[in-house]
Amino acid sequence: ILNVEQSPQSLHVQEGDSTNFTCSFPSSNFYALHWYRWETAKSPEALFVMTLNGDEKKKGRISATLNTKEGYSYLYIKGSQPEDSATYLCAFPSPHNAGNMLTFGGGTRLMVKP
Amino acid sequence: EAQVTQNPRYLITVTGKKLTVTCSQNMNHEYMSWYRQDPGLGLRQIYYSMNVEVTDKGDVPEGYKVSRKEKRNFPLILESPSPNQTSLYFCASSATGLSNQPQHFGDGTRLSIL
Repeated sequence: ILNVEQSPQSLHVQEGDSTNFTCSFPSSNFYALHWYRWETAKSPEALFVMTLNGDEKKKGRISATLNTKEGYSYLYIKGSQPEDSATYLCAFPSPHNAGNMLTFGGGTRLMVKP
Repeated sequence: EAQVTQNPRYLITVTGKKLTVTCSQNMNHEYMSWYRQDPGLGLRQIYYSMNVEVTDKGDVPEGYKVSRKEKRNFPLILESPSPNQTSLYFCASSATGLSNQPQHFGDGTRLSIL
């Protein structure tokens, strides 16, 4: 079973603060790295799928970077808003088959206080 | 609207009584999968399907069956449910089984096995 780790487990920030969190994954047999946003009582929603070392993706105030050689990805949120409160999950496709079978990290739970 | 639909959303049942959770997607996706979410363990994949009539085990397949007779449907079957299968279940789909495809999740099914 793959080791996909996220830190911190939870984070409390004030509205307007910028924040970032980390996902670490095996650096060998890299295929892709997924980020999902999961709001309470809803379903996980895809943010980014990153495939190339040095990749940087952006969606509004959220961006992500990727370092496949050292096995980590950062997710950044600029100027956090209360609606950004959610659990952010990263996921790594399993290398032992050709499918899109994802191993998820434990998530970072972000709470933004107004 | 593109979506993954699961039914039921909530179910309380008793040990040993066979149940089926249905999953249907309207995006003509080839790849479908089932996950379970347990506190402290994250999202773990139960079974996946690369296409019609092609299914395979994920990380935690014991006690579950699936079938993929049509492209749009991927039911999860618990032949003899046990209390350790009490969990939150998600169905997901992606356009193909390639690892660079984001997965689209249903709204979840909360099962309680007494």
